[in-house]
Amino acid sequence: NAGVTQTPKFRVLKTGQSMTLLCAQDMNHEYMYWYRQDPGMGLRLIHYSVGEGTTAKGEVPDGYNVSRLKKQNFLLGLESAAPSQTSVYFCASSPSLGDTQYFGPGTRLTVL
Amino acid sequence: AQKITQTQPGMFVQEKEAVTLDCTYDTSDQSYGLFWYKQPSSGEMIFLIYQGSYDEQNATEGRYSLNFQKARKSANLVISASQLGDSAMYFCAMREGRTGNQFYFGTGTSLTVIP
Repeated sequence: NAGVTQTPKFRVLKTGQSMTLLCAQDMNHEYMYWYRQDPGMGLRLIHYSVGEGTTAKGEVPDGYNVSRLKKQNFLLGLESAAPSQTSVYFCASSPSLGDTQYFGPGTRLTVL
Repeated sequence: AQKITQTQPGMFVQEKEAVTLDCTYDTSDQSYGLFWYKQPSSGEMIFLIYQGSYDEQNATEGRYSLNFQKARKSANLVISASQLGDSAMYFCAMREGRTGNQFYFGTGTSLTVIP
């Protein structure tokens, strides 16, 4: 089992560019999450999904969109990247709501 | 108010000694869950240990134990017999309610194990 994987590991964007981060899990988990981690702060929830075809906003959703077309995949999109979105992005999944979340390795994104 | 507070930005411990990482939480829910994660320099978040608010016993997982003091709203992580590989960032997190969708994370404690 690969667990939770994220693509890409690193990315540099210019302001205004768009990109999509891919998260995949092979644990058959229903719930998936996107977090961002900034220096000196804990992880903050961006969006989450409680099942295929469903998404919901977390604590810091502005500037991001997500989609969950397949149970095993959860995509995070930035339509027009801003320097404030420079961060490390983590995807996580859990078998049920409130259960332990298992994290991917993270994507380090820099927006110039 | 912060949901999770970790007041120790950095800690040092001698190899083979025990160390306690502090975590206090703020919630009005009666049912909640507390988690500890480890983040080594490679960056991944590794789940260590879980404590439910109704669990009567302190959680233990190998060398990790959680010192849960409900009245004080603290959930300190104790690592016994520290190893060099324990050097990492450690994050405390809380889930409110039995099925809360969001985990609230603290700002982390950087632990360095000295040989």
